[in-house]
Formats: sequence, C-alpha cells, structure tokens
Amino acid sequence: RKEVEQDPGPFNVPEGATVAFNCTYSNSASQSFFWYRQDCRKEPKLLMSVYSSGNEDGRFTAQLNRASQYISLLIRDSKLSDSATYLCVVMRTGRRALTFGSGTRLQVQP
Amino acid sequence: EADIYQTPRYLVIGTGKKITLECSQTMGHDKMYWYQQDPGMELHLIHYSYGVNSTEKGDLSSESTVSRIRTEHFPLTLESARPSHTSQYLCASSVSDRAGEETQYFGPGTRLLVL
Repeated sequence: RKEVEQDPGPFNVPEGATVAFNCTYSNSASQSFFWYRQDCRKEPKLLMSVYSSGNEDGRFTAQLNRASQYISLLIRDSKLSDSATYLCVVMRTGRRALTFGSGTRLQVQP
Repeated sequence: EADIYQTPRYLVIGTGKKITLECSQTMGHDKMYWYQQDPGMELHLIHYSYGVNSTEKGDLSSESTVSRIRTEHFPLTLESARPSHTSQYLCASSVSDRAGEETQYFGPGTRLLVL
C-alpha cells in the first residue's frame, strides 16, 4: 500500500465549479501536510500547508483529519489557470523528507 | 520565486557515459534533496543532505551518488548511464521557519534520456 494515496483523476470541471480532492496517508507518525501544485512538465510548487484546524487561502481551503488520516483540498470558483496536477504531500516525524502522492489531475474547461 | 538552479535542463546521452547533474541554491538552505519522477508518476526521494558532508539515501534505491562539499551545491552523479536511468530528476532545498514548518523549494528539473 502506498504511503500517500490520491485519486489520479482526471477531474474535468467547468469554469466556476467547486472541486474537492481527497488524500489518505498510512503512517500515523506523519506530522506535516502540504498541497503542492505541479504544472505539466514543470517542478512542483507549494500551494499551501495544511493545519489541524483547517486553513484557507483565497479560493483554496485545506482540511486535515488526523483520526481518519485524511487530507482534503477544496477549490472554489475554478479558473482555467487552476488546471494542473495537485500533489498531496506528508512529512513523517523525524524523517524531514517529503513523501508525495501520485497527484490528482484537474482540467478546468471553459 | 526560489533561487534554486539545475543544469542541464535536458540531457540526451549514450549508455555507459558518466554524467553529473548540477544543483545549486543561493538561499543558504542546509537541507537539500534529489527526487526522481517518471512521467505521470509520483516523486520518489533518492538522496538527501542535511548539511555539508552529510548525505543519505532516500526511499528509492538509486545507482546515483551525491556529494555535499559546499552548502549551496548538491551534484548528483551517475558513473555509467543506462536506459533505465531515463527520468526527470528534481532537486529541492528547504529551511525551517520559527514554528518548525519546512517549505521545500524545487529546481526546474533535469530531463535525462539515456539511449
């Protein structure tokens, strides 16, 4: 079983739609959580960290459920420019290197 | 934007050649990493370093080696390239903030094709 599991998609949504991505992680020792965005043939870039209390950055909301070992990302009012692969990323206590999910591809259509 | 650089961006080379992929960062970060990513697949950590003269192997077994003689420089070497080494190699560096949160910044990657 992979340490970080994501639905690969693709999610094809119209502009303006709200879309939610889910991610589960298997190692309960995971301490830090992130969502990265990766455009086609580009490097990953940090989108946002995920905090236990949930956090929001503009149209993006991230949630963490430690009991269920589940992370989510909600994108409201999707834009064409949101089209990318969204990577769920965790860091294990004491390890200090990131473990990446395989990503969920989002395609926002006009 | 992060100041982390990788060269070359693209490399096509024959089997058996020795290659070095360069990675440098000007942010003074102690921690640096190499990841390997095949098209459409997840990133796998192959090497990391917590500082000068510190290197460790990552999750994915790799025939490559790394060195960290200077803080800003973390080159990756393949002594004898093979077609199975064809992939994208991404370098990253990170720093912790006061709260202990780490943010990793990635270089643009090197796409390697071994014929």
